Formats: sequence, C-alpha cells, structure tokens
Amino acid sequence: DTEVTQTPKHLVMGMTNKKSLKCEQHMGHRAMYWYKQKAKKPPELMFVYSYEKLSINESVPSRFSPECPNSSLLNLHLHALQPEDSALYLCASSPSTGSTEAFFGQGTRLTVV
Amino acid sequence: GESVGLHLPTLSVQEGDNSIINCAYSNSASDYFIWYKQESGKGPQFIIDIRSNMDKRQGQRVTVLLNKTVKHLSLQIAATQPGDSAVYFCAEKGRGDDKIIFGKGTRLHILP
Repeated sequence: DTEVTQTPKHLVMGMTNKKSLKCEQHMGHRAMYWYKQKAKKPPELMFVYSYEKLSINESVPSRFSPECPNSSLLNLHLHALQPEDSALYLCASSPSTGSTEAFFGQGTRLTVV
Repeated sequence: GESVGLHLPTLSVQEGDNSIINCAYSNSASDYFIWYKQESGKGPQFIIDIRSNMDKRQGQRVTVLLNKTVKHLSLQIAATQPGDSAVYFCAEKGRGDDKIIFGKGTRLHILP
C-alpha cells in the first residue's frame, strides 16, 4: 500500500465553524507533512511531524492546529478560518524527514465562506 | 521563502520529442534538488532527485542535470508522452533539514 488517504476530498466551511482534515498512511512512514497549495502556485510547507512529534511549524497562524495521534494518522484542526485560507491542503508522508521522496495524498479542497 | 524558481511557466512539446524543463535556484546550501510532477486533481509525485555533489543522474526516461556554477537545474524527459502532461516543480532540501521546499512550477503541454 503506497497510498496516502485524505478525507474529506472537499470541504466548505463558514468562518465560525470548527472542522478537521484527516490524513492516513500505512507505509510505516515516520515523517508526515501538511502543505497548503493555492491555485497555480507551488505547495507551501505548513507543518512537519517526525516520529509523531511536531518538528517544524512554518509560522502558521494558530487557527490551524495539527495533531498526530499515532504513526499512521495526521489531523489538521481548523477554527475561525478566513476566506483567504481557501486552498488545497495536501498531506504527505516519507520514511523519515531525511527522505527526498514524499508521498502525497490527493488533498482536501477547502473553501471558507 | 522559495529559493528555487523556474524560467518558463508553460512549455508545449510535440508528442515523441524530448522535453527540457529548467529551474534556477539561489540556495547554495541545498543538499538535494528534487523534481516532482503534479497531474490535474492529484498531489505531487516524486520523479527523481540529485545530490548537490553530482552533476547528472538518470532515471527511466528522465535525466536531471545540475550546474552549480550557474545554479541551474534541468529535467529532461525523453520521448514525451501524453501521460507526461502535468505541472513540474523543482524542489530543494537542505542538509540536516526536515523541509522539502517547492519552487514555482512549469506546465508541460503535449501537442498531438
């Protein structure tokens, strides 16, 4: 199984809502990532987890809250988002943070209204 | 911020011809340079990487060239096929760094 599964595929939320994005991998990878991608732009790194511990937070606003409950799961909790946070949110995993090959999910298309 | 970027946003290539996608970088401390491909509606997919102490690496139908003198990276795709149609991103990873940082993409369009 070389798949990273993200749910939901699409999400529309209001600015006062709380929602969560979920990501799962069963490749035994110990590094997991969240990226944000706006249309026609490259993915921008948000968070890196290594062995279930937060390794990097790229100065992401606190309305985005990551969580890694176990080695297979990665969540991104969303609260009080702004319309400009609308984007494709991509989850990825790799064997370790030293790897150059990251396996990406299909992403969650988020629209904030 | 991004330390890698691309010269051309769109490249159109005849099916069967070779494609060359270019990338300029500014971070001399990068340990690896990486190419990813992103098809419409999908996440990026790893193609090939090259360590900073190498100048050429070949994969299946792809070759990556690294010119450290002019800080230039290229991806050559041989005998371009319709399935190669995608956005191609160069990316970089620093030594001991946990980050993979993406540069701007080039859309490869295959002409029939």
